[in-house]
Amino acid sequence: ETGVTQTPRHLVMGMTNKKSLKCEQHLGHNAMYWYKQSAKKPLELMFVYNFKEQTENNSVPSRFSPECPNSSHLFLHLHTLQPEDSALYLCASSLGTGVQPLHFGNGTRLTVT
Amino acid sequence: EDQVTQSPEALRLQEGESSSLNCSYTVSGLRGLFWYRQDPGKGPEFLFTLYSAGEEKEKERLKATLTKKESFLHITAPKPEDSATYLCAVHGAGGTSYGKLTFGQGTILTVHP
Repeated sequence: ETGVTQTPRHLVMGMTNKKSLKCEQHLGHNAMYWYKQSAKKPLELMFVYNFKEQTENNSVPSRFSPECPNSSHLFLHLHTLQPEDSALYLCASSLGTGVQPLHFGNGTRLTVT
Repeated sequence: EDQVTQSPEALRLQEGESSSLNCSYTVSGLRGLFWYRQDPGKGPEFLFTLYSAGEEKEKERLKATLTKKESFLHITAPKPEDSATYLCAVHGAGGTSYGKLTFGQGTILTVHP
């Protein structure tokens, strides 16, 4: 059982749908992250939150909207996605945003039809 | 811009056949280099952090080493359960973003019994 839990594990949505991904960490960490993992490409950082404040938005399209209500929970709200947004979305946490190892959840496999 | 290149893309070994994975990097001031293991359908699992050239770390059959330009992950007498994708990431000192790792595309290791 990972200390970082993501739901749902799989999601299929149409381009006009609105859905949300949820992440919860039980590690007492202060920083949380969203990453996108596409086939044959390196992990791409999307957003970073440190103590609930967004510290990084890696030029992500506005159809992805993050929310971090507290240091333990992170959401990614999705709307009007494109088929090329289909990927594995990984949540991670770390003690801080310095040189700390990331602890990842098992991801949400998103398919946009 | 920080860059990480991993080689080979895929590696097939027989059980007991030792080998090494390579991670070459260019970074403006290395603050840390990370190795992760990722099993199919799961998120990356942290293995090691290396901070400076000459440093080595070991865990079971794995040993990670670091020079000023690259890192190696040596696998001694691998077993089928070592089959996974191995990811390398660097944390550089440059730029304005903390907590921003640059990942390589990974090496897919398959160990046959």
